[in-house]
Amino acid sequence: DAGVIQSPRHEVTEMGQEVTLRCKPISGHDYLFWYRQTMMRGLELLIYFNNNVPIDDSGMPEDRFSAKMPNASFSTLKIQPSEPRDSAVYFCASSLSLTTDTQYFGPGTRLTVL
Amino acid sequence: LAKTTQPISMDSYEGQEVNITCSHNNIATNDYITWYQQFPSQGPRFIIQGYKTKVTNEVASLFIPADRKSSTLSLPRVSLSDTAVYYCLVGDRRDDMRFGAGTRLTVKP
Repeated sequence: DAGVIQSPRHEVTEMGQEVTLRCKPISGHDYLFWYRQTMMRGLELLIYFNNNVPIDDSGMPEDRFSAKMPNASFSTLKIQPSEPRDSAVYFCASSLSLTTDTQYFGPGTRLTVL
Repeated sequence: LAKTTQPISMDSYEGQEVNITCSHNNIATNDYITWYQQFPSQGPRFIIQGYKTKVTNEVASLFIPADRKSSTLSLPRVSLSDTAVYYCLVGDRRDDMRFGAGTRLTVKP
């Protein structure tokens, strides 16, 4: 398996533009997680899905952020409109379960909003 | 949520054993202790997980005392490539396990 795949790896955009980040989890994993990492706040859990259904989005910073998982092999995190404070590295991760199974992270998308 | 406390940074030299201790005074009965490693420009990577006593794999050992209020990640004979941030997480569910600031380990030649 190729592991968790994220695209793009780098994204530079201007304030006010829409940004869409993509993730392909490991096949067979029922859980998908979106994280954001910044120097100030560290690694934060934004939202996670179980069998394509959003379970907990309490970490989503505000209404400008939305996430979808239309099928078991694809998820998107959208920011509309983007702001400079959204600049961060966004990670997607997947796991077999919510318990103690290993969680596998993707390489991340480095987002810069000018 | 069980809170964890780790040193912010540590330095070591190649070939030495490194021990990183994590405090988790309010760990719950069902909680596991999990350590992740993160290299620059990469996502965190699972290293080891344990519940009590000692766990060893090909990468590291994890020592957990009987009261489980702390744990120690031991990296034998570190190399330059072990320079990374190491995170200690405590919980019984992924959504309860929070990444703190981690410990930035720098291995010097």
